[in-house]
Order: sequence, then C-alpha cells, then structure tokens
Amino acid sequence: QQQVKQSPQSLIVQKGGISIINCAYENTAFDYFPWYQQFPGKGPALLIAIRPDVSEKKEGRFTISFNKSAKQFSLHIMDSQPGDSATYFCAATYSNDYKLSFGAGTTVTVRA
Amino acid sequence: GAGVSQSPRYKVAKRGQDVALRCDPISGHVSLFWYQQALGQGPEFLTYFQNEAQLDKSGLPSDRFFAERPEGSVSTLKIQRTQQEDSAVYLCASSLAGLAESVYQETQYFGPGTRLLVL
Repeated sequence: QQQVKQSPQSLIVQKGGISIINCAYENTAFDYFPWYQQFPGKGPALLIAIRPDVSEKKEGRFTISFNKSAKQFSLHIMDSQPGDSATYFCAATYSNDYKLSFGAGTTVTVRA
Repeated sequence: GAGVSQSPRYKVAKRGQDVALRCDPISGHVSLFWYQQALGQGPEFLTYFQNEAQLDKSGLPSDRFFAERPEGSVSTLKIQRTQQEDSAVYLCASSLAGLAESVYQETQYFGPGTRLLVL
C-alpha cells in the first residue's frame, strides 16, 4: 500500500522553465516531508525538506509548497537547468520514526 | 570515508543461489537502513539498525532475507534461495544519530546501491 502518491511519472521542460511535481499523502501523522534527487547509478540524495508548520520553503531554485488541509505538497524547480535532469522522489515520515515512505518518483528531463 | 559505499555494485545470480550484499556506512553513523528499489519505483524500507541492534525488520519480504551489523559498522544483507522477484536495486543508508538522540529527523545518506538481477 503506497502511502505517498506522486505525479507525474515523467516530465520534459525547456531550459529556464519551471518543473512542478506533486505528491499526496493519507497518513495525517506524517510531519516531515523530504524530497530526494537521484541521478542514474547513484543513490538518492536529500534535496530539500519541509515540516507542516510552514506552507513554503525555498532553497535556491527549489521550492516546496505544502497544503496541510489537502494533504498535498509539491516541488517547484525554477529556471530549470540540464543538470537538474534526474529522478525526484517525495517522501514522508513522522517524528521519532525512521522509515521513509517514498513516492514512485518523477523523471525530469530538461532540454537545452 | 566520504560517503556510504556498497559492494558489489552489480550482481547476477541464478535462481536459487544465495547472495550477500555489503554496506559500509559513513564512519560514526549510528543508524543504518536497507531499502529495496524495484525498477521505476521509489525505495521501500526493509530493515533498520541502531548500532548492532536490529530494531525493525518489518519490511523484509520473506524469511529468505536476513541482515546483520555485528560490530555496529559494516552491514550485510543476505538473500537465500534467490527468486526472480528479488531482482531490484538494494540501497543502504546511514544517519548520524539513533532514535533516542534526536527528536527531529536525521538526514539519511544513501549509497549507490547494488543492482541484483536474478535469472
């Protein structure tokens, strides 16, 4: 049973464009929502994370938007660059836990 | 070391063979995790160690899967009598603190994974 649903499965964006990836969850106990970036042949690496006490968090060109009432959160990649081409995973867990529940992943391709 | 390392990077096994996958976590990291990543899917939790203690093995899919971390550093995931459905990438991750040491989530640092193909 997948606890975090992620969409789209893949997307293609032009260099300089905005990539948007959406995730939804059911477990209201979740209170930590990280995003991981994975390049081919590499393990996932933490990109940015948010807690539900804020509605938005920005780090450079990456922004997480969080909607607690809708149980949804999204990743926006602004000014997308070819080096951003990777698979992105949303995940969720709760305080004092260790298991990360991952979404199925979104493959982002940035065309130069 | 600079990060989490795993070996071998690729493993081809015939159905019914036993395999052993190794994980070297970041030095000093208390917590160690194993995840299974099927093709085109996100990682799924298998098991968790705090030092040498295996605190959670709820994600192990069958009793053919066994993990150990005898000295609280290197860990081995063993799969006995491999089946085709075991084909996946096996990811190891480590984090600095254990459960009781931190209220907040510790970042999990992932290794590159071992790609297992069972024929």
